[in-house]
Amino acid sequence: KNEVEQSPQNLTAQEGEFITINCSYSVGISALHWLQQHPGGGIVSLFMLSSGKKKHGRLIATINIQEKHSSLHITASHPRDSAVYICAVHRNTGNQFYFGTGTSLTVIP
Amino acid sequence: DAGITQSPRYKITETGRQVTLMCHQTWSHSYMFWYRQDLGHGLRLIYYSAAADITDKGEVPDGYVVSRSKTENFPLTLESATRSQTSVYFCASSGLAGGSGEQYFGPGTRLTVT
Repeated sequence: KNEVEQSPQNLTAQEGEFITINCSYSVGISALHWLQQHPGGGIVSLFMLSSGKKKHGRLIATINIQEKHSSLHITASHPRDSAVYICAVHRNTGNQFYFGTGTSLTVIP
Repeated sequence: DAGITQSPRYKITETGRQVTLMCHQTWSHSYMFWYRQDLGHGLRLIYYSAAADITDKGEVPDGYVVSRSKTENFPLTLESATRSQTSVYFCASSGLAGGSGEQYFGPGTRLTVT
């Protein structure tokens, strides 16, 4: 069973499009993280949130605790946004992290 | 250099050999983590540490051993490597407890067990 499910698994967009990646989880959490992994393999933390909404530049992350759902939005997408986006949750019992399998995004010029 | 580093970056070893993957961070972060990343599974937590001499199991600890004698180092040892441990291993650190803090990831170690 997967505690964290992401959709879509793969996404291709034209430059400039608005992109949404979804994350659903099945456990109680203390925090949700969005990570970015570039083709070279390096992983970077984009957001950590436990409620509401956060914005960094063209990226927006939202979370609905009651519905156990989070979304990552990218506005005015650019080829450099091409990467794998990973959702991770920190369970509120014990000290466990669970990760989605990632959404592979390709932005075409 | 400041940051979090892993060594080696690539390793090929034979079944049954002992292998140690090193992780070093310069921020004095209390929390450190080891993950493995496999196709179809995403990242999975192997072990974590809340401070020097404090470690605990994650989701997939079998076949692995960790230690943390110094805050900045968190080595991961495969005592007797198996083919199923072929994976990419990431170390991470965080300054805050549990999921409260941003995690900083190392560049990864690609391990192949033949």
